[in-house]
Parts: sequence; structure tokens; C-alpha cells
Amino acid sequence: EAGVTQFPSHSVIEKGQTVTLRCDPISGHDNLYWYRRVMGKEIKFLLHFVKESKQDESGMPNNRFLAERTGGTYSTLKVQPAELEDSGVYFCASSQVQISGNTIYFGEGSWLTVV
Amino acid sequence: AQSVTQLGSHVSVSEGALVLLRCNYSSSVPPYLFWYVQYPNQGLQLLLKYTTGATLVKGINGFEAEFKKSETSFHLTKPSAHMSDAAEYFCAVKKGSSASKIIFGSGTRLSIRP
Repeated sequence: EAGVTQFPSHSVIEKGQTVTLRCDPISGHDNLYWYRRVMGKEIKFLLHFVKESKQDESGMPNNRFLAERTGGTYSTLKVQPAELEDSGVYFCASSQVQISGNTIYFGEGSWLTVV
Repeated sequence: AQSVTQLGSHVSVSEGALVLLRCNYSSSVPPYLFWYVQYPNQGLQLLLKYTTGATLVKGINGFEAEFKKSETSFHLTKPSAHMSDAAEYFCAVKKGSSASKIIFGSGTRLSIRP
């Protein structure tokens, strides 16, 4: 069974540009989460989808960040325009209570560098 | 609300020595607790988790952790450190059986001395 997959694995963009990160959760998982770790600091929650609905978006830092999950399958996280402080690793995770017993599985992360 | 405190941002032990990484949590409801590991330039890997039942949980790579409700702790241990254990370790908490988010501690970087 495929795990949580994220694309791209690494991205280098200039300040002011736009980047879109994609996450494919484990098949059958309704819950999808985005986290990020900036500048080696703690891993911070961004938002939580249940199917296509945003259950909790309390961690979204500002309106430069837009997350979508149309159709309740894969999700995208767009940063527009990117700033230097957005550099870090963005993790996606998924879970399904009925399948994984609440275990949240993480992807390998998308490493973003803004120059 | 849930929160996690990891004591020590950096721990260094000799190869073969005991590894002890400390984690204390705060939770308004019975928590589920986790330890994740991040090896250099890799993603987050689940080491072990506590949900209900036995308070001593065993994970991968010889790690184990004990849930102590009276001390609100979930310390991670390994009897004998290997060089390959060098990584960053994150303790995390979530609200029990709900599908709510995981809250991470700030992480502890483990270094192994030859």
C-alpha cells in the first residue's frame, strides 16, 4: 500500500514567486493534515481537512497560504507570493480512524527554499 | 488544550549507553501520545504510540516509552544507543480517539558519540 506522497520533494523559488505543493494521502483516508517546520524550529500545524472540508485551519499563518482539497482526494498548498520566512519543510499527513486506528501517517515532506 | 514539552533540545550519549529523551504533556482529555523520528533529510517516521491499555509501549529499533499519568510524562528510552539512532525525535499529543490534529514538541536532537 502506498504511503502519503508529496510533490515536489524539493523546490527553490525566488521571493515573490508562487509555489504549489501537492499531497496524495493514503487511499481511503478522509483526514488530511498540513504541517510545516520552518528554520529548524518546531513542527507546526497548519490545517486539517475532513474529506473536502476544512475542519481546522487555525494554523494557517496568513492569506498568502491557500489550501484546497477538491473532491476529497489529493490536496494542494499554494504559497503566493512566497517570502523568505516561508522556507522550510512542509509535511502532509493522513489518517482514517476506522482503518488506521487514529495513527497519523506522514509523508516525506516538501522542502521549500525561498531565495 | 494540548501541549508538549521536551526537555533538552540536544542530547548526546555514547554508543552503547542508555538513551533517555524526556517528554511531558498537558491535555484536557485522555491523550494519545506519540514519538516520531526524523533522520537527516528524511520525513517523519512513527516510532511508537500510546492510545489505551498497557502503559509501556514498545516501538521500532528497540525504543520504548512509558505513559505515566500521575507524572504527565511519556519519556522515550533505549537501553543501548547505536550510531544509527542519531536523529531528531519529536514527542506529540492528540485528543484521544478523535481525528483532531497532533501537537508536536519542539524536538530533541540526539547525537551518538563513538
